[in-house]
Amino acid sequence: AQKITQTQPGMFVQEKEAVTLDCTYDTSDQSYGLFWYKQPSSGEMIFLIYQGSYDEQNATEGRYSLNFQKARKSANLVISASQLGDSAMYFCAINLVRNAGKSTFGDGTTLTVKP
Amino acid sequence: KAGVTQTPRYLIKTRGQQVTLSCSPISGHRSVSWYQQTPGQGLQFLFEYFSETQRNKGNFPGRFSGRQFSNSRSEMNVSTLELGDSALYLCASSLRGSPLHFGNGTRLTVT
Repeated sequence: AQKITQTQPGMFVQEKEAVTLDCTYDTSDQSYGLFWYKQPSSGEMIFLIYQGSYDEQNATEGRYSLNFQKARKSANLVISASQLGDSAMYFCAINLVRNAGKSTFGDGTTLTVKP
Repeated sequence: KAGVTQTPRYLIKTRGQQVTLSCSPISGHRSVSWYQQTPGQGLQFLFEYFSETQRNKGNFPGRFSGRQFSNSRSEMNVSTLELGDSALYLCASSLRGSPLHFGNGTRLTVT
């Protein structure tokens, strides 16, 4: 079974600064995908960024980048130039390529951006 | 392109009743999955449907069931509701299983 660990229940960051949200994972499969989702207080989950286990380059999407360290089984999300609208819950998730329809999520990190 | 639509947004039911939640995926998406979100258990996978077939199932009792129609719309049913079934139920669609595109969720309260 796959497991995601997010050790930071809550994080604070000053507006315009960068912040790193931690995620470690556990799987015995070699082919998997790692995802980050954002959940604002409205409840909707929004896909942010994806990293495949065989991708050699770290994924980037605008202000979001994924710091992928395969040997350490970590997939940290870096948000640059934080904005007030970034305040939300952030979830790290994993699925297996052979069974992409089932994702396992971490407990999430609540990010608060201070003005 | 329209996003994932879940109806209703809010539901209040009594213990012992049953409930049906509906999900319309993004056009062209054939995979629809359901997740239960609670403060205590977090996000838990319920099941996934692909082309009208259940392809994956999570560790939930048989009271939780679902189905998918030929137009990829999906319904989730919970029978004999318990207080612990109070949760936000999220539906997600995707082309091949991921990444997931979620709806706004249905917040179910069981009293």
